[in-house]
Amino acid sequence: DAKTTQPNSMESNEEEPVHLPCNHSTISGTDYIHWYRQLPSQGPEYVIHGLTSNVNNRMASLAIAEDRKSSTLILHRATLRDAAVYYCILREVAGGTSYGKLTFGQGTILTVHP
Amino acid sequence: DVKVTQSSRYLVKRTGEKVFLECVQDMDHENMFWYRQDPGLGLRLIYFSYDVKMKEKGDIPEGYSVSREKKERFSLILESASTNQTSMYLCASRYRTGGNSPLHFGNGTRLTVT
Repeated sequence: DAKTTQPNSMESNEEEPVHLPCNHSTISGTDYIHWYRQLPSQGPEYVIHGLTSNVNNRMASLAIAEDRKSSTLILHRATLRDAAVYYCILREVAGGTSYGKLTFGQGTILTVHP
Repeated sequence: DVKVTQSSRYLVKRTGEKVFLECVQDMDHENMFWYRQDPGLGLRLIYFSYDVKMKEKGDIPEGYSVSREKKERFSLILESASTNQTSMYLCASRYRTGGNSPLHFGNGTRLTVT
């Protein structure tokens, strides 16, 4: 499985932007980059995904490096509710034996200060 | 919104007991997954099912089995519970294998084996 590397923890202040980095130097050409987050006492929830182009949705933006070896999840204005563990995951394309499974790493613990 | 419901939030069982963890999803999803989450180890995939009566081993299937007789329900079975199976168990579902449909997680079952 292609692996990702994220910082163990990051801190931010409320209403400031947050940039969460992820390195994936062994990414293959067909791997999609997925981000999930896990709020305290809840299961993980989907945030965003992309392949090559930058992506935006109501929750966040995903900036993908041109060589695809790294990406950054951007929260434009952090709120206290954004305090969570953020996971960067490479999704293997189905067709092989993996059936597109997602392998979660340790993630980044984001602390948001009022 | 997709709802993934796990039958119990907390469960306490004795060593050697047979334990059933139940998961139900309400959106006709093809794929269902069982993960366990432990401090320092993150989420690890136990089993997944890409359709009714189909199952594939994940990364840590030893000591577990699964059952998927109906599309909406995916059961995780601990044939003879042991203390090292004390963990948070998370069920997830996904629309289908191809494409990039996201995983939808339940809120977990915290199992303690004494």
